[in-house]
Amino acid sequence: EPEVTQTPSHQVTQMGQEVILRCVPISNHLYFYWYRQILGQKVEFLVSFYNNEISEKSEIFDDQFSVERPDGSNFTLKIRSTKLEDSAMYFCASSDWHRSGGNQPQHFGDGTRLSIL
Amino acid sequence: KQEVTQIPAALSVPEGENLVLNCSFTDSAIYNLQWFRQDPGKGLTSLLLIQSSQREQTSGRLNASLDKSSGRSTLYIAASQPGDSATYLCAVNNDMRFGAGTRLTVKP
Repeated sequence: EPEVTQTPSHQVTQMGQEVILRCVPISNHLYFYWYRQILGQKVEFLVSFYNNEISEKSEIFDDQFSVERPDGSNFTLKIRSTKLEDSAMYFCASSDWHRSGGNQPQHFGDGTRLSIL
Repeated sequence: KQEVTQIPAALSVPEGENLVLNCSFTDSAIYNLQWFRQDPGKGLTSLLLIQSSQREQTSGRLNASLDKSSGRSTLYIAASQPGDSATYLCAVNNDMRFGAGTRLTVKP
């Protein structure tokens, strides 16, 4: 069964450095998402992406964050100048859309654990 | 602002029991509601998606219902097994607002 893959599984970065988290969504999916989960807390929506542009973003997704689909397969999340509070698990997800059924279930990757030192 | 609450926070049952997990939300204007399971250190696995026009969805031993007017969804698990042990999350869409989850333990 096709799956969403994320790399790396664990990223350790010094505070203030830029970090890029990578995701390969399921190939025929049209919608792409990033979420984060701080240890012990709820999963939080960051951003959704469709047709090569951001369709929705949360209040968490400020100017420090950006997303890109640089080619036909990858979907990246960049954090420009990391802070200690950016330490979390970051999940990528993708979904399809059917004319008859509307939005289809989101499929998640296993996440990247980001640790800011 | 949409708030999603899941009760109970944790549940422990013996194998074979039928059980119900609850999800409530404050704003009934939703597109859909999705149930996930999350195993420790892993991503989320989609279980069921209910569109706003639907009342329930079934997959194997799982049945999810949706009552938009009362802001509630339930996930029914029949004949629970130890392999069902995980955290179960509901998420409400328009903006994929998640509940904190119910941590389920099924004892052999």
